[in-house]
Amino acid sequence: GAVVSQHPSWVICKSGTSVKIECRSLDFQATTMFWYRQFPKQSLMLMATSNEGSKATYEQGVEKDKFLINHASLTLSTLTVTSAHPEDSSFYICSATGQQGWVTEAFFGQGTRLTVV
Amino acid sequence: AQSVTQLDSQVPVFEEAPVELRCNYSSSVSVYLFWYVQYPNQGLQLLLKYLSGSTLVKGINGFEAEFNKSQTSFHLRKPSVHISDTAEYFCAVSDPGGAEGRRALTFGSGTRLQVQP
Repeated sequence: GAVVSQHPSWVICKSGTSVKIECRSLDFQATTMFWYRQFPKQSLMLMATSNEGSKATYEQGVEKDKFLINHASLTLSTLTVTSAHPEDSSFYICSATGQQGWVTEAFFGQGTRLTVV
Repeated sequence: AQSVTQLDSQVPVFEEAPVELRCNYSSSVSVYLFWYVQYPNQGLQLLLKYLSGSTLVKGINGFEAEFNKSQTSFHLRKPSVHISDTAEYFCAVSDPGGAEGRRALTFGSGTRLQVQP
């Protein structure tokens, strides 16, 4: 299967600072990337969908000014948590998919554990 | 709108015993169905998926699932579990939308499989 690399795997930041998380597709062109958030012992909730070269589409209740998503290339999408606060502490996971014939699903990154102190 | 219900939050089972993790979904349209496994602080790994065709789907690590349209279920089974199967399991659905599995997923709340020696 395809490989999606997410970086960093964990990060601790101070309240009020911004954190950037990268999601890269290593062996295919990711025309669409999805960003999910997972609270402890809970399921994954879709935050936003980004198509390469377009503005991301955010799910209801997700603040687009707080969670900035950039998908400027076919192999990289970034999620920036701006002015992070403790309630933003969570596990963030990206997935990516493409239009190539062999890419028949969205592949997940390893996730990023964000802790805001 | 779609939803996924995983009836059991935890399933304890002894090693080498069979196991079934239950998943029911609701949707006004036909769906694609997935089972993922998540190990602590890691991303998601696809176990199997149902897109069309045979209702019995075989996946990795000896898992299989059966799609039952009349009961709107997609239960996951394994005839003999190992300690290494201890993990969180998520059932998910996606709207086909003509793009196979390339759309965002709606996840169930997850089932913690605990395999005991």
